Amino acid sequence: DAKTTQPPSMDCAEGRAANLPCNHSTISGNEYVYWYRQIHSQGPQYIIHGLKNNETNEMASLIITEDRKSSTLILPHATLRDTAVYYCIVRVNSGGSNYKLTFGKGTLLTVNP
Amino acid sequence: GAVVSQHPSWVICKSGTSVKIECRSLDFQATTMFWYRQFPKQSLMLMATSNEGSKATYEQGVEKDKFLINHASLTLSTLTVTSAHPEDSSFYICSASSGQATYNEQFFGPGTRLTVL
Repeated sequence: DAKTTQPPSMDCAEGRAANLPCNHSTISGNEYVYWYRQIHSQGPQYIIHGLKNNETNEMASLIITEDRKSSTLILPHATLRDTAVYYCIVRVNSGGSNYKLTFGKGTLLTVNP
Repeated sequence: GAVVSQHPSWVICKSGTSVKIECRSLDFQATTMFWYRQFPKQSLMLMATSNEGSKATYEQGVEKDKFLINHASLTLSTLTVTSAHPEDSSFYICSASSGQATYNEQFFGPGTRLTVL
């Protein structure tokens, strides 16, 4: 089972910031939070990941609460091409150096003109 | 970098036939590859994890004799759907991890859409 909870859908105006929330209240101390997105009929695309510090890259920012029970993905200036399903995933060690990504239902972000 | 390809991108086959899907890491060596399945309007579900040179580890409920996985080299894994039936119609997606990346990121292929008639 996915260890995360996300709203099923969100809307955002083009050019505005999109803030996508995620709850992961059962996360363990050494488990990372990953964000991927999937545009219709394509494979998932990696966005960002973090452990406890806030992270930023060219695509997005990830804000993780101090207790690590929730996080927010921020797309600073959403474009129409950012319309996709966004998955927040807690990466779990599945044995040795192997890790599993368990995809939940994600959030369908629709960016409107 | 970190490009993963799949072939074919789509395939239509008759019920009872077998279909092979290839997953290749183009610019890195993938010590671990993963196979997922996605039904319409549903999320990705992990089917199996394979380490190069080892037998694949299948998730609960996935028939290993029906979904044959081979990971014989560091750049290629194949998934063969044997005796396919219409209920096997789905979007099959692979991902690859080098184990060298700092956090073992998985890079996903573009997916293969299988339709069984």
